[in-house]
Amino acid sequence: QLHLQESGPRLVKPSGTLSLTCTVSGGSVSSSSYYWGWIRLPPGKGLEWIGALYYTGTTDYNPSLKSRVSIWSDTSKNQFFLSMSSVTAADTAVYYCARRAVGAPFDHWGQGTLVTVSS
Amino acid sequence: QPVLTQSSSASASLGSSVTLTCTLSSGHSVYTIAWHQQQPGKAPRYLMKLEDSGIYTKGSGIPDRFSGSSSGADRHLTISNLQSEDEADYYCETWDSNTQVFGGGTKLTVL
Repeated sequence: QLHLQESGPRLVKPSGTLSLTCTVSGGSVSSSSYYWGWIRLPPGKGLEWIGALYYTGTTDYNPSLKSRVSIWSDTSKNQFFLSMSSVTAADTAVYYCARRAVGAPFDHWGQGTLVTVSS
Repeated sequence: QPVLTQSSSASASLGSSVTLTCTLSSGHSVYTIAWHQQQPGKAPRYLMKLEDSGIYTKGSGIPDRFSGSSSGADRHLTISNLQSEDEADYYCETWDSNTQVFGGGTKLTVL
């Protein structure tokens, strides 16, 4: 059974960098034909796709966030990561990691972690 | 890239049926979408993938009460015999060559 779990600091200062880890169990981040992605849910708003990492290391990012976001993996630890720089209060959200197959929707989600941007 | 439009809210009575709609933007009417359910305080749960033909493939453990259908650019999610636990936000999702898009979500209230 695939399981994804987010972890990382819950409070980040404005202009700082948000860093999150997704630990995968029951599957491998190096499995072929899968993307490993990040999605967020700002308070009172809808889901927003942040970006995804293909098992080859190729990445795709939301154009509106691309300049501030980076996603990469550590296959030895079966983890993948999100870094978002120059954060503001607008980046306050519940952040989810998730998996999808090529040409398919996200079908496995982590529980999510609330990250608050505040001084 | 495609845009998905959903009504912000819907309501229906316990035991009745409700249909939620997700509309694809012009030029994207043949896209496959997915439906996700997000109960309060929980992670999104994948419900189904729905093709323009109306063929849908549900995720593991999704009850028979959930079904999908398509008409032109509209993708429908129908929930029959509404239960209290169906009160949730419902999101549609689609994808292009290197991007994923979510609709704004519909908040379903079970009366």
